[in-house]
Amino acid sequence: GESVGLHLPTLSVQEGDNSIINCAYSNSASDYFIWYKQESGKGPQFIIDIRSNMDKRQGQRVTVLLNKTVKHLSLQIAATQPGDSAVYFCAELYGQNFVFGPGTRLSVLP
Amino acid sequence: KAGVTQTPRYLIKTRGQQVTLSCSPISGHRSVSWYQQTPGQGLQFLFEYFSETQRNKGNFPGRFSGRQFSNSRSEMNVSTLELGDSALYLCASSLMATGANVLTFGAGSRLTVL
Repeated sequence: GESVGLHLPTLSVQEGDNSIINCAYSNSASDYFIWYKQESGKGPQFIIDIRSNMDKRQGQRVTVLLNKTVKHLSLQIAATQPGDSAVYFCAELYGQNFVFGPGTRLSVLP
Repeated sequence: KAGVTQTPRYLIKTRGQQVTLSCSPISGHRSVSWYQQTPGQGLQFLFEYFSETQRNKGNFPGRFSGRQFSNSRSEMNVSTLELGDSALYLCASSLMATGANVLTFGAGSRLTVL
């Protein structure tokens, strides 16, 4: 499939472990954030979102944490599975446009 | 419900040619945004259309243009192709104009310029 990014930071985790993917965003005025997952040959898929008036939001096996003080966003994946292997992007809504982070490649080891 | 459909999925062009890419949004979605994805620059915003009007434009040269039709389908065009235009072009739709709305992406059109 297509290569999303050849020189992305890579996180390798053992199957069954928890994964934490971090993102530093740029703009303190950003008020809405989304995490996307992109598998090879596919477009980005929505995982979870969070508004700036929250600091934590949970979904199925995923949790997003927002620290506005240091402009940091993290995605936690519980019990990581082989199907979680992908590139993960954070996106911040700044003004009227989404600005995407560079992405992190998650590799799940058997 | 059908997702965002982009055509063609793959295409090869030579320098100087032009290309038109098509995007059909999710039924009922009125906003369509286009992004360029490359290994070096990541996801870069090209433009957004809502109700046939361009609302926002990214920092790309005038060779990149787009339009939206009354049925919300959108096309983007790149003229006088350069090698650096080789990329995955992603279309995303949302129900309303870009704001705190989730973007739903298509699978992309992979353009290779030789």
